[in-house]
Amino acid sequence: KQEVTQIPAALSVPEGENLVLNCSFTDSAIYNLQWFRQDPGKGLTSLLLIQSSQREQTSGRLNASLDKSSGRSTLYIAASQPGDSATYLCALTGNQFYFGTGTSLTVIP
Amino acid sequence: DTGVSQDPRHKITKRGQNVTFRCDPISEHNRLYWYRQTLGQGPEFLTYFQNEAQLEKSRLLSDRFSAERPKGSFSTLEIQRTEQGDSAMYLCASSLRGGGVRTDTQYFGPGTRLTVL
Repeated sequence: KQEVTQIPAALSVPEGENLVLNCSFTDSAIYNLQWFRQDPGKGLTSLLLIQSSQREQTSGRLNASLDKSSGRSTLYIAASQPGDSATYLCALTGNQFYFGTGTSLTVIP
Repeated sequence: DTGVSQDPRHKITKRGQNVTFRCDPISEHNRLYWYRQTLGQGPEFLTYFQNEAQLEKSRLLSDRFSAERPKGSFSTLEIQRTEQGDSAMYLCASSLRGGGVRTDTQYFGPGTRLTVL
């Protein structure tokens, strides 16, 4: 069974800082990895998807990387803003679909 | 609005009652997923469909749970004889797979919050 871990569980940074969120997984037999954000009481918003054959994807201030051999993905957020405050979840698509428990990010103005 | 929609948004029921939720995916999407999320946890996969075929079910999906997607469009998730442990947010997502498109980006609906008293 795929185990997905996100560390740290919570992170608080001042506005403008660059930051990295981590996602670790135990089974490298995946089709893709997707990063989402979830705002309180709301559904999930897709941020980036990385196919298993890819190493990274970029969208605006976000960059996600994937290293299947080490079972790791990172989400890099540049020049953080208060509007980035949310819970960030990674999700893996293999034979089934597995989410991490998320990192709760607070960006302090 | 052409996003994923779910109905109802909230449902309060008494233990032992049956409940049914509906999900309408993005119209051209052939895949539809159901997840359950409890407070402080990431979503847990329940089941997914490709068109009308149910391709995978999690062991979390007990005999009291059943999902259908009869015409390959909307889907329903029914929980029979609800228990307090069924209280959670039930999320639906859809994606497009096949025909040269393999991104499988999942788009989520707002969820149905179930409270079992």
